[in-house]
Amino acid sequence: AQRVTQPEKLLSVFKGAPVELKCNYSYSGSPELFWYVQYSRQRLQLLLRHISRESIKGFTADLNKGETSFHLKKPFAQEEDSAMYYCALSRQGAQKLVFGQGTRLTINP
Amino acid sequence: KAGVTQTPRYLIKTRGQQVTLSCSPISGHRSVSWYQQTPGQGLQFLFEYFSETQRNKGNFPGRFSGRQFSNSRSEMNVSTLELGDSALYLCASSLSGISEAFFGQGTRLTVV
Repeated sequence: AQRVTQPEKLLSVFKGAPVELKCNYSYSGSPELFWYVQYSRQRLQLLLRHISRESIKGFTADLNKGETSFHLKKPFAQEEDSAMYYCALSRQGAQKLVFGQGTRLTINP
Repeated sequence: KAGVTQTPRYLIKTRGQQVTLSCSPISGHRSVSWYQQTPGQGLQFLFEYFSETQRNKGNFPGRFSGRQFSNSRSEMNVSTLELGDSALYLCASSLSGISEAFFGQGTRLTVV
């Protein structure tokens, strides 16, 4: 079965500190992995996807197939990073996202 | 360009009624997906339409149905509403099944 697990519902760090949001998945095959973000009063939007291997707003995520993880990292947190973050997967070529329960990230000044 | 538009934004219905939600995708996008978001279950995939055909379906009862029109606009229908159908319903569109999904702001349905 396809499953995405985000073990932390809430994460709070200080501005300037490193951030890591954890995501583990189970999937038999080669999934496509994503991180979506929802800022306050805004719609859900794509932050990054593993196949693009980009750094967006200072965030990176590396797919570790051995550990079935796709953790999101940023070396220096900023207050504007406070948001709800969702990890998601889909079968390659399919527009059917399986989401984790989300992690609410709060950056303290 | 205009984003994904969902109407109405808020809806209150009574148990047993039916409801239709609408989604207008970004111009040129042919894939439209629907998701249900609740505090308990999180974001769950309902179905996806591409070129007027249902291409993927989630694990929801048959009371949940949808369709897509030739202009790619999509509607979702829920019949015989139950209290547990109260949720935020999100629509997402993409150019094709393998591209970035753009989400609408959602329709909040409350069943009383």
